[in-house]
Amino acid sequence: EVQLVESGGGLVQPGGSLRLSCAASGFTLSDYYVDWVRQAPGRGLEWLGRSRNKANSYTTEYAASVKGRFTVSRDDSKNSLYLQMNSLKIEDTAVFYCTRSDSSGYSALWGQGTLVTVSS
Amino acid sequence: DIQMTQSPSTLSASVGDRVTVTCRASQSIGNWLAWHQQKPGKAPKLLIYKTSILESGVPSRFSGSGSGTDFTLTISSLQPDDFATYFCQQYSTYPLTFGGGAKVEIK
Repeated sequence: EVQLVESGGGLVQPGGSLRLSCAASGFTLSDYYVDWVRQAPGRGLEWLGRSRNKANSYTTEYAASVKGRFTVSRDDSKNSLYLQMNSLKIEDTAVFYCTRSDSSGYSALWGQGTLVTVSS
Repeated sequence: DIQMTQSPSTLSASVGDRVTVTCRASQSIGNWLAWHQQKPGKAPKLLIYKTSILESGVPSRFSGSGSGTDFTLTISSLQPDDFATYFCQQYSTYPLTFGGGAKVEIK
């Protein structure tokens, strides 16, 4: 089955760090762009960042709200991608989704999401 | 950043109704627009990309139109499975941005 599965969410204190994982099955993740999108409780969707595919050297883009705090990386041997989140703030509390994106840019396949709660 | 404004934010409709949701971009995005459907507690699901192309498996009662700054999502005959929130997404320019959502409720 073609799917993305996120993991690594949980409760973290303000100022802390967390690493989310996005594991792909049914396809080779390195062939695709991957985005991270989050949704705060009861709110809309916010794009956070992108990792382009291997053919495009895994270059990245980030939203201003997370640039310098969040970093996307990949492990092709595990067919996975990661979101390292540092200096977390209360307002980072959200469900985090990874999405497989078409090279033209839209989110074509969504994972089920993982909840990150930033609270003291 | 390109702001995406959806209207209405909430819509009450009955099974069989024709439903239209609009999405307006703060500047031209060509036809680089997608629509996603989200049900409570679930991840979003892609319905339409490049303004009007239906994702595989999406029922033909869904359609999309528009260009530049003004776009619409139309459900020709609302079905029980369609009660959900719909988000537009522009992918013309970084940062990618989403509309605030349009919730379609049962009347």
